[in-house]
Parts: sequence; C-alpha cells; structure tokens
Amino acid sequence: RKEVEQDPGPFNVPEGATVAFNCTYSNSASQSFFWYRQDCRKEPKLLMSVYSSGNEDGRFTAQLNRASQYISLLIRDSKLSDSATYLCVVTRDDKIIFGKGTRLHILP
Amino acid sequence: NAGVMQNPRHLVRRRGQEARLRCSPMKGHSHVYWYRQLPEEGLKFMVYLQKENIIDESGMPKERFSAEFPKEGPSILRIQQVVRGDSAAYFCASLGVLDSPLHFGNGTRLTVT
Repeated sequence: RKEVEQDPGPFNVPEGATVAFNCTYSNSASQSFFWYRQDCRKEPKLLMSVYSSGNEDGRFTAQLNRASQYISLLIRDSKLSDSATYLCVVTRDDKIIFGKGTRLHILP
Repeated sequence: NAGVMQNPRHLVRRRGQEARLRCSPMKGHSHVYWYRQLPEEGLKFMVYLQKENIIDESGMPKERFSAEFPKEGPSILRIQQVVRGDSAAYFCASLGVLDSPLHFGNGTRLTVT
C-alpha cells in the first residue's frame, strides 16, 4: 500500500460548482500535512497547510481527520483558473511524501 | 528574500555527456530535496541533503547520479553519461525547519538527444 494515496481523476467540474477530494495516508505517525497545486510543466506551489481544526483560505477549505487518516480539500465556486493537479503532501520526521496528485479540470 | 533558484532552466545534452543541475535554497534554509518528474507522472523523491551531508539518497539511481550540498555554494545534482531515459524535469526544494512547507524552484528541464 502506498504511504499517500490520491484519486488521480480527472475531475471534470463545471465552473461555479463545488468540488472536493481526499487523500489518505497509511502511517499514523505522520506529522504535518499540506496541499500543493501544480500547473502543467510548472513547479508545485503551496496551496495551504492542513490542521485538525480545519482551515479556510477564501474559496478553499482543508481538513485533517487523524482518526481515519485522511485529509480533504474543498473548493467552492470553482474558477477556470483552478484547473491544475492538486498534490497531497505528508511529512514524517525528515521524510516528505507526495501523493501522485488529483487532476482537476474546470469546464466553462 | 529570493526564492529557491535553479539553473539552468533548460539543459540539452547528448547521450554520454554529463549534466550538472544547480540549486540555491532560500536564504536561511539548510534542508534541500531533489525530485524528478517524468511527463504525465508524479514527483519522485531522489535525495535529501543538509549542508555537507547526504541524509537520505534512497531515491537516487545507484549509478551515474550523485548529489552534493557543500558548505559554500549551491547544491548540485550531477548525472554522468546521460541516457534518453534521464530526460525529465528536475525540481529542487528547500525548507528551513522540519514540518514546515517545502518551497520549490522553477525546475530544470533536461533533454537528452
């Protein structure tokens, strides 16, 4: 079983809709969690850190569920510019583990 | 505060030549990670370094690949005798303290002809 797993998608979502995707992790000792976005042929960029209490940044909400070992990302009122690959990142000591990413296409 | 700087952005090498990729981490960052990404695939961890030390090289191919992060100067990823399969985007990332987010450079796109 991979340490970090994501549905690869693609998720094809009409503009303005709400979309959510999850990422599961297998090691309960995992410490920190992040969502990154990566546009085609560009470097990954930090979208947001993820905390147990949940955190929100504009249209984006991230949540951590330690009991079930998953993190989630919710995007409200999706825009065309949200089209990208979303990478789940989990850290454990000095190890930083990336999921393979979920591809999101926002349709006009 | 400059971000992570990688150069060159694009590198073309013929089979059998050497490729040297450079990465200057963000100011104050002492942890450097290198990743490789093939087209349409995810990031693959290669190596994690701190100043003058290789901490984890479990993702590095056993032959032809080496990395360093000297006391002075950038981190270098070196690929000797390149082959077509080495063509990929190579990303460097740095962080200041463990458990904080990684910051990525723009990457070096290596093409082997």
